[in-house]
Amino acid sequence: AQTVTQSQPEMSVQEAETVTLSCTYDTSESDYYLFWYKQPPSRQMILVIRQEAYKQQNATENRFSVNFQKAAKSFSLKISDSQLGDAAMYFCALRSGNTGKLIFGQGTTLQVKP
Amino acid sequence: KAGVTQTPRYLIKTRGQQVTLSCSPISGHRSVSWYQQTPGQGLQFLFEYFSETQRNKGNFPGRFSGRQFSNSRSEMNVSTLELGDSALYLCASSPSGRDREGLFFGSGTQLSVL
Repeated sequence: AQTVTQSQPEMSVQEAETVTLSCTYDTSESDYYLFWYKQPPSRQMILVIRQEAYKQQNATENRFSVNFQKAAKSFSLKISDSQLGDAAMYFCALRSGNTGKLIFGQGTTLQVKP
Repeated sequence: KAGVTQTPRYLIKTRGQQVTLSCSPISGHRSVSWYQQTPGQGLQFLFEYFSETQRNKGNFPGRFSGRQFSNSRSEMNVSTLELGDSALYLCASSPSGRDREGLFFGSGTQLSVL
């Protein structure tokens, strides 16, 4: 069975500082994708960043980057220069290459302090 | 391009009733999937439809059903509502359901069962 674990229910960061959210996963598949989604109070899930398992290079999207450790099955999200608008719940998700089903972690609530 | 649209935003029902939720995917997207979000269970996959066919199903009772129309719009139905069905129901779409870009989510329908 595939699982995704986020061990930090809540995190806080000072505005302009850097924060890292942790995620570990388990899958027996060799072809899979990993995602970080953001869910603000509006409830809409917004894709933050994605990583293909076959790519060794860590994905980067502006202030967001990941540290993908395939052997350790770890997929952490780093947010640099945190902004007040980054405050939200963040979900790590896993998808096998041959299915459209996303497996989500329990989420991490990020608070950004001014 | 319009995003994923879910209607209604809020619903209040009583136990034993049935409910139908609607989802209009992004234009050109043929895959629609549904997720249930609760504080206790987190985000759980309900089912996925592609070209009017259910392609994948989560571990939910038969009271939960869905369908997809020829224009890719999807509905999900919950019959004989129980208190535990109170949740945020999220719909997501993608071109094929197997896309590297991941899923695009709507803002959800908040269902309260009294």
